[in-house]
Amino acid sequence: GAVVSQHPSWVICKSGTSVKIECRSLDFQATTMFWYRQFPKQSLMLMATSNEGSKATYEQGVEKDKFLINHASLTLSTLTVTSAHPEDSSFYICSAGGGIGEGGYTFGSGTRLTVV
Amino acid sequence: DAKTTQPTSMDCAEGRAANLPCNHSTISGNEYVYWYRQIHSQGPQYIIHGLKNNETNEMASLIITEDRKSSTLILPHATLRDTAVYYCIALQTGANNLFFGTGTRLTVIP
Repeated sequence: GAVVSQHPSWVICKSGTSVKIECRSLDFQATTMFWYRQFPKQSLMLMATSNEGSKATYEQGVEKDKFLINHASLTLSTLTVTSAHPEDSSFYICSAGGGIGEGGYTFGSGTRLTVV
Repeated sequence: DAKTTQPTSMDCAEGRAANLPCNHSTISGNEYVYWYRQIHSQGPQYIIHGLKNNETNEMASLIITEDRKSSTLILPHATLRDTAVYYCIALQTGANNLFFGTGTRLTVIP
């Protein structure tokens, strides 16, 4: 079945530094990938839609200059959290369409970001 | 996409069937009902989906009412590993993304 690989699974970084998270579709091509953020005991919140070869589309309230998204190929999207602060600590999850009939989505295993 | 309503939490005894309801009274004709689950600190996992017929796979069964305004996910023999948050989502064919509600936190009790 469709597999989405997300790396790293967890990362701890110092406040003010940047962190890059990778999301790869392993056995299918994804022109579109999605990035979610999840705070403790809350549901997933869509941050942005990553489009291969073009600019990402950000949800309202998500700072595009802080959360840089690059989708340079049909199998790779990256999310860079720039100048991270403790309030950016969260669980980040990517997903890609395809692999499940009628528009289903496959999710990565998530990245736990802790900013200290 | 149609909004869905689910109970906040449910308990189920290990080995018994877990029946998770979902209300989607405003669902449109071209929206599928999808179920995902999220085990703690993992990404969501696809379970099953359907349009109007009942569906069954190796994980679960999906029962959709004839008017399509509600559905029930059935885990026939719940195990402790089924403890998770279960999300019911109405998704239009060709839609670009999934929006998650609060889901149902299922706790399987030994």
